[in-house]
Amino acid sequence: AQKVTQAQTEISVVEKEDVTLDCVYETRDTTYYLFWYKQPPSGELVFLIRRNSFDEQNEISGRYSWNFQKSTSSFNFTITASQVVDSAVYFCAFYRDDKIIFGKGTRLHILP
Amino acid sequence: DTAVSQTPKYLVTQMGNDKSIKCEQNLGHDTMYWYKQDSKKFLKIMFSYNNKELIINETVPNRFSPKSPDKAHLNLHINSLELGDSAVYFCASSLGQGRDYNEQFFGPGTRLTVL
Repeated sequence: AQKVTQAQTEISVVEKEDVTLDCVYETRDTTYYLFWYKQPPSGELVFLIRRNSFDEQNEISGRYSWNFQKSTSSFNFTITASQVVDSAVYFCAFYRDDKIIFGKGTRLHILP
Repeated sequence: DTAVSQTPKYLVTQMGNDKSIKCEQNLGHDTMYWYKQDSKKFLKIMFSYNNKELIINETVPNRFSPKSPDKAHLNLHINSLELGDSAVYFCASSLGQGRDYNEQFFGPGTRLTVL
């Protein structure tokens, strides 16, 4: 069965520090999708990135970057020069065969 | 121009009551979903519909009954509400499924409190 593990329940960093959120997944499938979502204190779920299993290129979007490594079944998310507005719960998710499975989330606190 | 909308945003009700949450998407997506987020923020899929047909039913009590009158709407009706049903319920939609799957877009959530 597929599984998504976000081992970091809660992280606190001081503003402007870099922070990496870990995501490890388990699957025997060769075709799947991985996602990251952000849930700020206001409660909505915001899509950040989608990556399919055949595309291991790392991605950078502004201060956000993602490192996908199939060899370690990891899809980690790094925020560079963090800002207070980055404070949120971040979810990693896995999709295969019509099912999306979310990790338990990492609550990120950016301290001013 | 809200993409995925849910009503109501907040719902407070007594145990034993029946209530409904409505969801509409104007994205032209084929697939819609209901998720439950508990107090620990754990998100779990409940149902998914593709073109008005039930695709996923994740061992949800049969007090929960989704209804999709058309592919732009997926409503959730809950009978005999229990304390444990208190949660935030999110509706979502996506274009395609399987190999054609794209990311899900979520509604703003409905916070249900059962007293």
